[in-house]
Amino acid sequence: DAKTTQPNSMESNEEEPVHLPCNHSTISGTDYIHWYRQLPSQGPEYVIHGLTSNVNNRMASLAIAEDRKSSTLILHRATLRDAAVYYCILVGSGNTPLVFGKGTRLSVIA
Amino acid sequence: NAGVTQTPKFRILKIGQSMTLQCTQDMNHNYMYWYRQDPGMGLKLIYYSVGAGITDKGEVPNGYNVSRSTTEDFPLRLELAAPSQTSVYFCASRLVLTSGGHDEQYFGPGTRLTVT
Repeated sequence: DAKTTQPNSMESNEEEPVHLPCNHSTISGTDYIHWYRQLPSQGPEYVIHGLTSNVNNRMASLAIAEDRKSSTLILHRATLRDAAVYYCILVGSGNTPLVFGKGTRLSVIA
Repeated sequence: NAGVTQTPKFRILKIGQSMTLQCTQDMNHNYMYWYRQDPGMGLKLIYYSVGAGITDKGEVPNGYNVSRSTTEDFPLRLELAAPSQTSVYFCASRLVLTSGGHDEQYFGPGTRLTVT
């Protein structure tokens, strides 16, 4: 499976935008980029996914580089509830099990 | 919908004991998964199932067994518990379409297991 590289941790002030980077230089043409997050003491939850174009939903935006070797998850206004571990995962096809790395631990400061 | 439910929430086992972790989903998802998460680490896939009667090994299947007799249920069995199996266990499910479309995966709240 193609691997992703994320910073171990990041910090943000409340109500400011947060840009969480993910490098995936070995991504293949059919790999989708998925983001999940895991709040403390909970199971992971889906955030967003995309293939080539930037994507927006109620939780976040996903910006994908033109060469697809990197992507950025954007939280437009961080809240305390957004403090979590964020996982960037490449998924080769719809039936491929998700493979989790260590993710990025986001801390939000009031 | 209740989503993905897991029981029990917590359990302490002695070495050598056995137990079954229960997982049920009410979304009619065809794919189901079991992961374990050790402290400070990401989730590792234990087993998964693509439909009733079909199961397959993930990254760390040793020491575990699964069955999938119905679409809704996917229990995980530990036969001879070992301290190395102390972990948090997450069950998940996903609707996978034959068209190959991507959909989100839903996770249960987890079972925290301690083996002493």
